[in-house]
Amino acid sequence: QLVLTQSPSASASLGASVKLTCTLSSGHSSYAIAWHQQQPEKGPRYLMKLNSDGSHSKGDGIPDRFSGSSSGAERYLTISSLQSEDEADYYCQTWGTGIRVVFGGGTKLTVL
Amino acid sequence: EVQLLESGGGLVQPGGSLRLSCAASGFTFSSYAMSWVRQAPGKGLEWVSAISGSGGSTYYADSVKGRFTISRDNSKNTLYLQMNSLRAEDTAVYYCAKGQLELNDEGLYLFDYWGQGTLVTVSS
Repeated sequence: QLVLTQSPSASASLGASVKLTCTLSSGHSSYAIAWHQQQPEKGPRYLMKLNSDGSHSKGDGIPDRFSGSSSGAERYLTISSLQSEDEADYYCQTWGTGIRVVFGGGTKLTVL
Repeated sequence: EVQLLESGGGLVQPGGSLRLSCAASGFTFSSYAMSWVRQAPGKGLEWVSAISGSGGSTYYADSVKGRFTISRDNSKNTLYLQMNSLRAEDTAVYYCAKGQLELNDEGLYLFDYWGQGTLVTVSS
Protein backbone atom coordinates (compact mmCIF):
# COMPACT_ATOMS: atom_id res chain seq x y z
CA GLN A 1 0.00 0.00 0.00
CA LEU A 2 1.39 3.36 -1.05
CA VAL A 3 1.42 5.99 1.69
CA LEU A 4 2.74 9.56 1.57
CA THR A 5 3.97 10.90 4.91
CA GLN A 6 4.24 14.60 5.71
CA SER A 7 5.01 16.40 8.95
CA PRO A 8 1.83 18.05 10.26
CA SER A 9 3.45 21.44 10.76
CA ALA A 10 6.45 23.59 9.95
CA SER A 11 7.45 27.16 10.62
CA ALA A 12 10.05 29.64 9.40
CA SER A 13 10.64 33.37 9.55
CA LEU A 14 9.68 35.95 6.99
CA GLY A 15 12.44 36.17 4.37
CA ALA A 16 13.99 32.84 5.35
CA SER A 17 13.85 29.48 3.56
CA VAL A 18 11.98 26.31 4.51
CA LYS A 19 12.19 22.75 3.19
CA LEU A 20 9.09 20.55 3.41
CA THR A 21 9.32 16.78 3.10
CA CYS A 22 7.07 14.14 1.61
CA THR A 23 8.15 10.52 2.15
CA LEU A 24 7.00 7.66 -0.07
CA SER A 25 6.37 4.34 1.63
CA SER A 26 8.74 1.41 1.20
CA GLY A 27 8.97 0.01 -2.31
CA HIS A 28 7.65 3.14 -3.99
CA SER A 29 10.75 5.33 -4.17
CA SER A 30 10.54 5.68 -7.97
CA TYR A 31 7.20 7.47 -7.98
CA ALA A 32 6.82 11.04 -9.11
CA ILE A 33 4.71 13.33 -6.97
CA ALA A 34 2.97 16.68 -7.24
CA TRP A 35 3.02 19.51 -4.70
CA HIS A 36 -0.10 21.60 -4.12
CA GLN A 37 -0.55 24.72 -1.97
CA GLN A 38 -3.81 25.55 -0.21
CA GLN A 39 -4.07 29.02 1.29
CA PRO A 40 -6.72 29.55 4.00
CA GLU A 41 -10.29 29.33 2.72
CA LYS A 42 -9.14 28.75 -0.88
CA GLY A 43 -8.99 25.87 -3.31
CA PRO A 44 -5.67 24.10 -3.83
CA ARG A 45 -3.11 25.46 -6.28
CA TYR A 46 -0.76 23.22 -8.26
CA LEU A 47 2.89 24.06 -7.63
CA MET A 48 4.90 21.41 -9.48
CA LYS A 49 5.42 17.85 -10.56
CA LEU A 50 8.57 16.37 -9.01
CA ASN A 51 10.30 13.28 -10.43
CA SER A 52 12.44 10.76 -8.57
CA ASP A 53 15.60 12.18 -10.16
CA GLY A 54 14.78 15.66 -8.81
CA SER A 55 13.73 17.14 -12.12
CA HIS A 56 10.55 19.16 -11.82
CA SER A 57 8.09 21.16 -13.89
CA LYS A 58 6.22 24.00 -12.27
CA GLY A 59 2.70 25.18 -12.79
CA ASP A 60 1.73 28.39 -14.51
CA GLY A 61 2.87 31.51 -12.67
CA ILE A 62 4.69 29.71 -9.85
CA PRO A 63 7.56 31.93 -8.68
CA ASP A 64 11.19 30.86 -8.81
CA ARG A 65 11.17 30.91 -4.98
CA PHE A 66 9.52 27.48 -5.14
CA SER A 67 11.75 24.56 -6.06
CA GLY A 68 11.76 20.79 -5.70
CA SER A 69 14.34 18.08 -5.14
CA SER A 70 14.44 14.34 -4.44
CA SER A 71 16.58 11.88 -2.52
CA GLY A 72 15.58 8.22 -2.46
CA ALA A 73 12.02 8.02 -1.18
CA GLU A 74 12.03 11.64 -0.03
CA ARG A 75 10.53 14.45 -2.05
CA TYR A 76 11.21 18.02 -1.01
CA LEU A 77 9.62 21.39 -1.57
CA THR A 78 11.86 24.34 -0.79
CA ILE A 79 10.44 27.82 -0.48
CA SER A 80 12.98 30.63 -0.31
CA SER A 81 12.53 34.29 0.63
CA LEU A 82 9.37 33.39 2.55
CA GLN A 83 6.48 35.80 2.23
CA SER A 84 3.37 36.12 4.35
CA GLU A 85 1.21 34.70 1.54
CA ASP A 86 3.23 31.47 1.67
CA GLU A 87 1.48 30.63 4.94
CA ALA A 88 -0.67 27.74 3.80
CA ASP A 89 -1.19 23.99 3.84
CA TYR A 90 1.05 22.04 1.47
CA TYR A 91 -0.02 18.65 0.13
CA CYS A 92 1.95 16.09 -1.82
CA GLN A 93 0.13 13.73 -4.17
CA THR A 94 0.98 10.72 -6.27
CA TRP A 95 -0.85 8.41 -8.65
CA GLY A 96 -0.63 5.07 -10.39
CA THR A 97 -2.46 2.09 -11.83
CA GLY A 98 -4.46 0.44 -9.10
CA ILE A 99 -3.62 3.00 -6.44
CA ARG A 100 -5.45 5.74 -8.35
CA VAL A 101 -4.63 8.87 -6.31
CA VAL A 102 -2.95 9.22 -2.93
CA PHE A 103 -2.54 12.47 -0.99
CA GLY A 104 -0.25 13.08 1.94
CA GLY A 105 -1.80 14.38 5.13
CA GLY A 106 -0.52 17.90 4.49
CA THR A 107 1.91 20.23 6.22
CA LYS A 108 0.67 23.47 7.75
CA LEU A 109 3.35 26.13 7.19
CA THR A 110 3.44 29.10 9.53
CA VAL A 111 5.44 32.17 8.53
CA LEU A 112 6.72 33.88 11.68
CA GLU B 1 -6.92 31.69 -18.39
CA VAL B 2 -8.15 28.36 -17.04
CA GLN B 3 -11.19 28.67 -14.80
CA LEU B 4 -13.16 25.99 -12.96
CA LEU B 5 -16.35 27.02 -11.19
CA GLU B 6 -18.22 24.51 -9.04
CA SER B 7 -21.87 24.82 -8.04
CA GLY B 8 -24.71 22.74 -6.68
CA GLY B 9 -23.63 22.21 -3.10
CA GLY B 10 -25.96 22.59 -0.15
CA LEU B 11 -27.61 20.91 2.81
CA VAL B 12 -29.14 17.48 2.21
CA GLN B 13 -30.54 14.82 4.52
CA PRO B 14 -28.87 11.44 4.92
CA GLY B 15 -30.00 9.14 2.11
CA GLY B 16 -30.67 12.10 -0.17
CA SER B 17 -29.20 13.10 -3.52
CA LEU B 18 -27.39 16.08 -4.95
CA ARG B 19 -25.81 16.93 -8.31
CA LEU B 20 -22.68 19.04 -8.49
CA SER B 21 -21.55 20.92 -11.60
CA CYS B 22 -18.20 22.34 -12.65
CA ALA B 23 -18.15 24.88 -15.47
CA ALA B 24 -14.80 24.96 -17.25
CA SER B 25 -13.25 27.62 -19.49
CA GLY B 26 -9.89 28.65 -20.88
CA PHE B 27 -8.88 25.27 -22.34
CA THR B 28 -10.14 22.62 -24.77
CA PHE B 29 -12.34 20.85 -22.23
CA SER B 30 -12.95 17.69 -24.24
CA SER B 31 -9.22 16.95 -24.48
CA TYR B 32 -8.58 16.69 -20.74
CA ALA B 33 -9.41 14.24 -18.00
CA MET B 34 -11.22 15.74 -15.02
CA SER B 35 -11.61 14.71 -11.40
CA TRP B 36 -13.56 15.48 -8.25
CA VAL B 37 -11.59 15.78 -5.00
CA ARG B 38 -13.17 16.45 -1.61
CA GLN B 39 -12.05 17.84 1.72
CA ALA B 40 -13.96 17.15 4.92
CA PRO B 41 -14.00 20.03 7.44
CA GLY B 42 -10.54 20.43 8.95
CA LYS B 43 -9.20 17.40 7.08
CA GLY B 44 -6.97 16.68 4.10
CA LEU B 45 -7.70 16.04 0.45
CA GLU B 46 -9.42 12.87 -0.78
CA TRP B 47 -9.79 11.93 -4.44
CA VAL B 48 -13.36 10.94 -5.31
CA SER B 49 -13.69 10.22 -9.03
CA ALA B 50 -12.15 10.80 -12.46
CA ILE B 51 -13.36 10.77 -16.06
CA SER B 52 -11.46 10.68 -19.35
CA GLY B 53 -11.73 13.50 -21.86
CA SER B 54 -14.19 11.63 -24.03
CA GLY B 55 -16.21 10.52 -21.04
CA GLY B 56 -15.79 6.91 -22.06
CA SER B 57 -13.82 5.87 -18.97
CA THR B 58 -14.71 6.58 -15.37
CA TYR B 59 -12.97 5.78 -12.08
CA TYR B 60 -14.13 5.90 -8.46
CA ALA B 61 -12.74 5.74 -4.95
CA ASP B 62 -14.02 2.71 -3.04
CA SER B 63 -15.76 5.03 -0.57
CA VAL B 64 -18.19 6.31 -3.21
CA LYS B 65 -18.39 3.46 -5.73
CA GLY B 66 -21.99 2.53 -6.46
CA ARG B 67 -23.35 5.77 -4.96
CA PHE B 68 -21.70 8.54 -7.01
CA THR B 69 -21.64 8.94 -10.80
CA ILE B 70 -19.26 11.22 -12.68
CA SER B 71 -20.17 12.50 -16.13
CA ARG B 72 -19.39 15.35 -18.49
CA ASP B 73 -21.06 17.31 -21.29
CA ASN B 74 -18.30 18.41 -23.63
CA SER B 75 -20.73 20.55 -25.64
CA LYS B 76 -21.33 22.60 -22.49
CA ASN B 77 -17.78 22.40 -21.06
CA THR B 78 -19.28 21.08 -17.84
CA LEU B 79 -18.36 18.30 -15.44
CA TYR B 80 -20.93 16.69 -13.13
CA LEU B 81 -21.04 14.56 -10.01
CA GLN B 82 -24.34 12.86 -9.19
CA MET B 83 -24.32 11.90 -5.52
CA ASN B 84 -26.93 9.45 -4.24
CA SER B 85 -27.46 7.70 -0.90
CA LEU B 86 -25.53 10.46 0.82
CA ARG B 87 -24.04 9.86 4.26
CA ALA B 88 -22.83 12.16 7.01
CA GLU B 89 -19.24 11.22 6.11
CA ASP B 90 -19.75 12.68 2.62
CA THR B 91 -19.88 16.15 4.18
CA ALA B 92 -17.03 18.09 2.56
CA VAL B 93 -16.03 20.81 0.18
CA TYR B 94 -15.96 19.28 -3.30
CA TYR B 95 -13.39 20.53 -5.81
CA CYS B 96 -13.15 19.84 -9.48
CA ALA B 97 -9.62 19.45 -10.83
CA LYS B 98 -8.19 19.40 -14.33
CA GLY B 99 -5.95 16.57 -15.52
CA GLN B 100 -3.52 16.33 -18.40
CA LEU B 101 -3.58 15.50 -22.11
CA GLU B 102 -1.86 12.13 -21.85
CA LEU B 103 -3.95 8.96 -21.99
CA ASN B 104 -2.31 7.36 -18.96
CA ASP B 105 -2.41 7.48 -15.16
CA GLU B 106 -0.57 10.79 -15.09
CA GLY B 107 -3.01 12.23 -17.58
CA LEU B 108 -5.89 11.23 -15.36
CA TYR B 109 -4.48 12.10 -11.97
CA LEU B 110 -1.91 14.91 -12.21
CA PHE B 111 -4.05 17.95 -11.39
CA ASP B 112 -2.77 21.31 -12.64
CA TYR B 113 -5.83 23.47 -11.99
CA TRP B 114 -8.43 23.41 -9.23
CA GLY B 115 -11.73 25.15 -8.65
CA GLN B 116 -12.71 27.07 -5.53
CA GLY B 117 -15.01 24.31 -4.27
CA THR B 118 -18.64 23.86 -3.27
CA LEU B 119 -19.75 22.75 0.19
CA VAL B 120 -21.95 19.69 0.65
CA THR B 121 -23.42 19.14 4.11
CA VAL B 122 -25.24 15.90 4.86
CA SER B 123 -27.25 16.25 8.03
CA SER B 124 -30.74 15.75 9.39
